[in-house]
Amino acid sequence: EVQLVESGGGLVEPGKSLTLSCAASEFTFEDYAMHWVRQAPGKGLEWVAGISWNSGRIDYGDSVKGRFTVSRDNARNSLFLQMKSLKTEDTALYYCAKVYPPWDSGSFHFNSWGQGTLVTVSS
Amino acid sequence: QSVLTQPPSVSAAPGQKVTISCSGGTSNIGNNFVSWYQHLPGTAPKLLISDNTARPSVIPDRFSGSKSGTSATLDITGLQTGDEADYYCGTWDNSLSAWVFGGGTKLTVL
Repeated sequence: EVQLVESGGGLVEPGKSLTLSCAASEFTFEDYAMHWVRQAPGKGLEWVAGISWNSGRIDYGDSVKGRFTVSRDNARNSLFLQMKSLKTEDTALYYCAKVYPPWDSGSFHFNSWGQGTLVTVSS
Repeated sequence: QSVLTQPPSVSAAPGQKVTISCSGGTSNIGNNFVSWYQHLPGTAPKLLISDNTARPSVIPDRFSGSKSGTSATLDITGLQTGDEADYYCGTWDNSLSAWVFGGGTKLTVL
């Protein structure tokens, strides 16, 4: 069974930085695009960023563009989200999600999700 | 304001059927597959429907999806109290170069 375990969340002051990690197992990580999705308190799901299987394509949501950087280390089966210039509105539960089908197959969906890691931005 | 429009809430009695709509445009639903997710806040979302109509083997056939033009629909029949959750549609938006979710629909089983 696919395992996705997020970590790195916590309480951080506005303007500071934080890096999230997602440890993947039980599937061939290097074959699949990975994404970050978040849910702010009382709000719906919001897509944050996505990275292709070989890091050749990276996309960001408008609300985080220029502040967040998504990356991956296929040798370590890990996904990362570097968050800079954090704002109070970035407070959310951050999920990593695995895509299907593998490689750059055009249309895709999220077939596995982690349990999330909570980021709280507050002074 | 979400790119994809869903009703904020739907409700029905146990055993009944509900339909959740998801309306978009040509840059998203009109030219891409739609997927649906079930989510209890604080837990991992679960894939219900992929590619407009495909259901993972672990999902009961009480859940079904369809798409027509720039709108998609999730039907849930034989409602159970355990179906109470938030439901989201999602797809890629070619104009935004971004994945988009609907605003979510809260299902209450009365």
